Amino acid sequence: DAKTTQPNSMESNEEEPVHLPCNHSTISGTDYIHWYRQLPSQGPEYVIHGLTSNVNNRMASLAIAEDRKSSTLILHRATLRDAAVYYCILRDVGTGNQFYFGTGTSLTVIP
Amino acid sequence: DTGVSQDPRHKITKRGQNVTFRCDPISEHNRLYWYRQTLGQGPEFLTYFQNEAQLEKSRLLSDRFSAERPKGSFSTLEIQRTEQGDSAMYLCASSLVSRMNTEAFFGQGTRLTVV
Repeated sequence: DAKTTQPNSMESNEEEPVHLPCNHSTISGTDYIHWYRQLPSQGPEYVIHGLTSNVNNRMASLAIAEDRKSSTLILHRATLRDAAVYYCILRDVGTGNQFYFGTGTSLTVIP
Repeated sequence: DTGVSQDPRHKITKRGQNVTFRCDPISEHNRLYWYRQTLGQGPEFLTYFQNEAQLEKSRLLSDRFSAERPKGSFSTLEIQRTEQGDSAMYLCASSLVSRMNTEAFFGQGTRLTVV
């Protein structure tokens, strides 16, 4: 499976936008880009996913580069409840099989 | 629907003992996954089922580990002769296979401590 690279940690002030980057230079044409987050002592939680076009949902936006080698998860207005580890994962559209998690980005939200 | 349920939430066992964890997926979901997570690391894939068939196992799943999903509904993960290195959070997830790439829903996990 193609790998992703994320910064280990990021900080954001409360109520400000947060841009979480992810590099996936070896992405294949059939890989979807998924984002999950994990709050302390909980299982991972789905955030958003996309293939080529930018995506929006109630939680976040996903901006995908034109060459698909990178993507950015955008939290429009960070709250203290958004403090979590965010994982960027590639998942093959044909198989939809297991997710391979990296170490993710630990987001700290400063009040 | 209450989501993916895992039982127990916490388990402390002595080295050498056997333990079994249970996962109840979301009712209509036909795929079920097991992951293991140690402190500071992302979840590591162990195995997954489609209905009752176990389709893939990671090499992390040694012969002391066995997973079942007998009727395509709940699943169990058993660890025999536990070792201290087995101490981790064991996560279960489920998803619905469809033409579109769908999300998986995770349970809260079972935290295993081997003493």
